[in-house]
Amino acid sequence: DTAVSQTPKYLVTQMGNDKSIKCEQNLGHDTMYWYKQDSKKFLKIMFSYNNKELIINETVPNRFSPKSPDKAHLNLHINSLELGDSAVYFCASRSTGRVYEQYFGPGTRLTVT
Amino acid sequence: QQQVKQSPQSLIVQKGGISIINCAYENTAFDYFPWYQQFPGKGPALLIAIRPDVSEKKEGRFTISFNKSAKQFSLHIMDSQPGDSATYFCAASTNSGYALNFGKGTSLLVTP
Repeated sequence: DTAVSQTPKYLVTQMGNDKSIKCEQNLGHDTMYWYKQDSKKFLKIMFSYNNKELIINETVPNRFSPKSPDKAHLNLHINSLELGDSAVYFCASRSTGRVYEQYFGPGTRLTVT
Repeated sequence: QQQVKQSPQSLIVQKGGISIINCAYENTAFDYFPWYQQFPGKGPALLIAIRPDVSEKKEGRFTISFNKSAKQFSLHIMDSQPGDSATYFCAASTNSGYALNFGKGTSLLVTP
């Protein structure tokens, strides 16, 4: 069973389009994240949700909007895509409390042309 | 601002050798220090983690050494194998911070 899954795996789109990436976790975790990995492989937190509530919102353009319909899902909507948005986006989850371990999804490679 | 600094950027080790990757941090509020392994086209996978109340943690061929006073920690991979070839990331977080602050990664190549 896949613990953290993302769809799609690859996303190729043109500048100016709007796209969404979906994430689901079946671990029963309370907290979910979106990370961005750039072309140099640097991983940076974008958003964090705990029990459907936004708790971290790093300096990310407001074209990016996370949405959490329930604890098991965290989707990422991106409006007016730009060339610089090309990256790999990872969803992750963890349980609250003393267990800090985060589990990552397989990633979505977004290419903006 | 890079909160966790990782070195080296790349590393080549012969099969059977020891791979050592180092990380340093400034924020003394960090209390959780994991290492992640990432293969091409895959998501980062938790390898081993340590909390600052211990100076060393070993799991199989992987060992974390932690120096609280120096604010440094390192990953040692003993008897390195070609299958260990991957990118390794150190990270740090606080109890309340939730997010992981990653180092820039080390690309490890283990040659046969």
